[in-house]
Amino acid sequence: GIQVEQSPPDLILQEGANSTLRCNFSDSVNNLQWFHQNPWGQLINLFYIPSGTKQNGRLSATTVATERYSLLYISSSQTTDSGVYFCAAGGRETSGSRLTFGEGTQLTVNP
Amino acid sequence: GAGVSQSPSNKVTEKGKDVELRCDPISGHTALYWYRQSLGQGLEFLIYFQGNSAPDKSGLPSDRFSAERTGGSVSTLTIQRTQQEDSAVYLCASRPGQSTDTQYFGPGTRLTVL
Repeated sequence: GIQVEQSPPDLILQEGANSTLRCNFSDSVNNLQWFHQNPWGQLINLFYIPSGTKQNGRLSATTVATERYSLLYISSSQTTDSGVYFCAAGGRETSGSRLTFGEGTQLTVNP
Repeated sequence: GAGVSQSPSNKVTEKGKDVELRCDPISGHTALYWYRQSLGQGLEFLIYFQGNSAPDKSGLPSDRFSAERTGGSVSTLTIQRTQQEDSAVYLCASRPGQSTDTQYFGPGTRLTVL
């Protein structure tokens, strides 16, 4: 099945800084999602982005499917951005495009 | 509209007991998934339902785990003879229907087996 690797595993920022989180995947995908897991454990959808570029406020994401990676950009970070960011991919060979998750990036934004 | 809901939010049980976890997907979503998140294994797929098709059970870790989906809506995940390694957060997700659509996750049920 698909392998998903995220980097870095941990990231500490000062409020206002920008950051880039990376997700590498091992095979062709028809589903690629980015999530933010809040302190209560809820997985919040950020982007559905199997290819291309999307932006939502201070967040944007780019997936280069041919090179099998996706990037999540956080600009002007805020303390509320803290938490774990997960990338998850679903491949064409798996039924229903079930998601394989990376290990996550633990982001801490200090005031 | 209402999101995916799960109940209970927390469940503490004794080793050897059976537990049932419930998921109410977003209305109209035909696909439903169960995942679990544990310290040692991260987030992993358990089972997938799509409409009236036979479920994909390939992620269930043992035959103590089973799930059903009644009327194409509510799903119940049952764990029999619980073990301490079953302690985890069990997450349910649903999606509208096409395999490329976004999956929406519920808040999870935190299961603790003593």
